Amino acid sequence: SQTIHQWPATLVQPVGSPLSLECTVEGTSNPNLYWYRQAAGRGLQLLFYSVGIGQISSEVPQNLSASRPQDRQFILSSKKLLLSDSGFYLCAWSRPGAYNEQFFGPGTRLTVL
Amino acid sequence: QKEVEQDPGPLSVPEGAIVSLNCTYSNSAFQYFMWYRQYSRKGPELLMYTYSSGNKEDGRFTAQVDKSSKYISLFIRDSQPSDSATYLCAMSEYGNKLVFGAGTILRVKS
Repeated sequence: SQTIHQWPATLVQPVGSPLSLECTVEGTSNPNLYWYRQAAGRGLQLLFYSVGIGQISSEVPQNLSASRPQDRQFILSSKKLLLSDSGFYLCAWSRPGAYNEQFFGPGTRLTVL
Repeated sequence: QKEVEQDPGPLSVPEGAIVSLNCTYSNSAFQYFMWYRQYSRKGPELLMYTYSSGNKEDGRFTAQVDKSSKYISLFIRDSQPSDSATYLCAMSEYGNKLVFGAGTILRVKS
């Protein structure tokens, strides 16, 4: 069966500090991978998605970037965090070629102070 | 107007009640419809996945899609306190990204 991991679970960072959130998927090959941010009462906002190693599509221009160094690893980064980067970050995966049925990880709660 | 509208609730019901959760949407090209359950501080869990119109049943859960009215529903029979969570609807066109509703908070009281 497939499993998706995210870490850390919670993170408190000062404004201007760098960020690295990691997501890994087990039990599947060549998955589509996604990064979402969830703000209270506003649903999920797609930030980035990837259909393969080194292939990243950005949905929203902002202070964040994503990378996919390995088939089942997806990383969300920032060089300098802003207060507005606070939120609940979710990684998800779907089968190759299937964009609709997405499965989410446990999430990382980021607080920028 | 948002692409997907969902009443935020909270919706409070007694244990054993039938719960109806709904979403409306504006994009007639949506073909795939999902319902996710999200417990507090956890990632969303896929509950139901349907394609086009019609009903789909899985245990106590029934998903209904009415494309002519651009309206989808999730029914929960014999609701339990463990069903207390936020329910998110999501939908998409073929080969396109998911669009999520903001979620409805459900509270089932024992």
